[in-house]
Amino acid sequence: DTGVSQNPRHKITKRGQNVTFRCDPISEHNRLYWYRQTLGQGPEFLTYFQNEAQLEKSRLLSDRFSAERPKGSFSTLEIQRTEQGDSAMYLCASSSGQGVSPGELFFGEGSRLTVL
Amino acid sequence: KQEVTQIPAALSVPEGENLVLNCSFTDSAIYNLQWFRQDPGKGLTSLLLIQSSQREQTSGRLNASLDKSSGRSTLYIAASQPGDSATYLCAVNGNKLVFGAGTILRVKS
Repeated sequence: DTGVSQNPRHKITKRGQNVTFRCDPISEHNRLYWYRQTLGQGPEFLTYFQNEAQLEKSRLLSDRFSAERPKGSFSTLEIQRTEQGDSAMYLCASSSGQGVSPGELFFGEGSRLTVL
Repeated sequence: KQEVTQIPAALSVPEGENLVLNCSFTDSAIYNLQWFRQDPGKGLTSLLLIQSSQREQTSGRLNASLDKSSGRSTLYIAASQPGDSATYLCAVNGNKLVFGAGTILRVKS
């Protein structure tokens, strides 16, 4: 078990371009979370999946953002028509929640996005 | 809406000191609370998980307590070392983790 893996680690793009980040959770973890973190702040919740179902989305997740988790394994987070305000660290976490309990979350190293 | 506050925002101590980081939250309806460490430009490393039914958890030189009724948690670090320098984040878990802004710790050798 190699932990939560995120790719790419760094992405520099021009405003208006689309970007996609990938997260591979710890194997057999049924829950997967996406967070965004800007400098000097704690991470902010974006969305989470239980298996392949997207159960909650933050209002921070505008219609330019879309997340998927096909087959309940890896997940992708796509940002369309990027804006400079999208520059941040995008963090993925997974957990093996049982019933209503979310369990302990384990985070990846993050994907840093810079929009020029 | 859950809000998490961490005090102090920054702390600088000489090596060897014992120290306490504070975390408060507004909604006591939580499943658990996690303390994380974050090094600059890196992801989050889970330090301790306290279930809502527990009062404290210990791991090595770290001890975390939870008082759910008053909405408070503390992280105690014994005999601090320069390698402990990092940002420490508290997060409470309803059905998702809500984070504080963190405490930036610097341990001077």
